[in-house]
Amino acid sequence: AQKITQTQPGMFVQEKEAVTLDCTYDTSDQSYGLFWYKQPSSGEMIFLIYQGSYDEQNATEGRYSLNFQKARKSANLVISASQLGDSAMYFCAMREALTGTASKLTFGTGTRLQVTL
Amino acid sequence: AAGVIQSPRHLIKEKRETATLKCYPIPRHDTVYWYQQGPGQDPQFLISFYEKMQSDKGSIPDRFSAQQFSDYHSELNMSSLELGDSALYFCASSLAVDSGSSYNEQFFGPGTRLTVL
Repeated sequence: AQKITQTQPGMFVQEKEAVTLDCTYDTSDQSYGLFWYKQPSSGEMIFLIYQGSYDEQNATEGRYSLNFQKARKSANLVISASQLGDSAMYFCAMREALTGTASKLTFGTGTRLQVTL
Repeated sequence: AAGVIQSPRHLIKEKRETATLKCYPIPRHDTVYWYQQGPGQDPQFLISFYEKMQSDKGSIPDRFSAQQFSDYHSELNMSSLELGDSALYFCASSLAVDSGSSYNEQFFGPGTRLTVL
């Protein structure tokens, strides 16, 4: 079964508008972490935001916020005031077994966001 | 701040040749991960090392091997290259998850783009 599901292959948003990128996950672990990465056309993976399973408040980092709904197992990324430079592929990822060492990331299939004028 | 260094950035090989990809983690990071991202795909975990020992193994072909050296840099060796090995190979580094931090972000290198002809 898919551990990370991103159901939106592509999204369009107008400049200065807000956009929500969906991510649902599946795990039986109680302790896990959820990450969002941005991958522009140049290829690098840029860390955006993190949410721990025990964090009671939704994570925020500048224009990025994470809408964490634990019971629904969703961790949607909200980008406010979109900019042309936000056009990129966005990956949701999960790290399970936070108490172990070298816990790998499992990625979703990504959402390609295009910001328009 | 120092980032993860990967070399080479681009590599072109013929089928059945060998390739060696190098990764230099962020200073004091003790954990290294390798991921493979095929064209239009999400990154897939290959292998990880903690304190120079292999800690986890993912979908890494038997033709591939990797190790982490005493200075914590890591090398991914790929033999009998196939067309399907053409991909972007990321190295990421972090502190071990149980190092006391609430989470340990994996910092990604810029990637090595391998093309097999």
